[in-house]
Amino acid sequence: DIRMTQSPASLSASLGETVNIECLASEDIYSDLAWYQQKPGKSPQLLIYNANSLQNGVPSRFSGSGSGTQYSLKINSLQSEDVATYFCQQYNNYHTFGAGTKLELK
Amino acid sequence: EVQLVESGGGLVQPGRSLKLSCLASGFTFSNYGMNWIRQAPGKGLEWVASISSSSSYIYYADTVKGRFTISRDNAKNTLYLQMTSLRSEDTALYYCARHESSVWYFDFWGPGTMVTVSS
Repeated sequence: DIRMTQSPASLSASLGETVNIECLASEDIYSDLAWYQQKPGKSPQLLIYNANSLQNGVPSRFSGSGSGTQYSLKINSLQSEDVATYFCQQYNNYHTFGAGTKLELK
Repeated sequence: EVQLVESGGGLVQPGRSLKLSCLASGFTFSNYGMNWIRQAPGKGLEWVASISSSSSYIYYADTVKGRFTISRDNAKNTLYLQMTSLRSEDTALYYCARHESSVWYFDFWGPGTMVTVSS
């Protein structure tokens, strides 16, 4: 089974700041990686797929990068509506999610 | 408007069974693969099962293999999850989500239905 190690577990940032969230796969997942945003009490929403492709309707301040086993989600110019928990997901070999990163405002 | 609405959750005793449903609308259901993903209270996401658009391919997580059965009725635009031999660790919010046939990320999720396994 492929394990996904996501960091940090929680993050506090100020409005307008740039935020980075990392995911490390236990083996090469060949960019088969997605990022989701989950707001409190809501279901997850797809942000990024194939490691760096922006889902339709997602603001351009969100971006993804990485290859092999290392991937990251970057949020530029943090907005109040970005407060949420973010999950990575590998889909190269079935599906595994990272444990999540809870993003709060400082 | 794309909609996925899960139903069938509730309180059930350990060892008993429960069947979840997910009614789809706003898109051509038969063109999409479907999935169940669960989230225990305050915890992360765990993939449970997937089924291809025509039911040709079915996959399960090891944690539910042999106990859960995923199925679909394309005429009724409905996805199902039959759960048997339920355990306390199956307690979670169960989401259905779709994926395009050739890709494996989940581009739309329902609001979920809660399953509580307790005596």
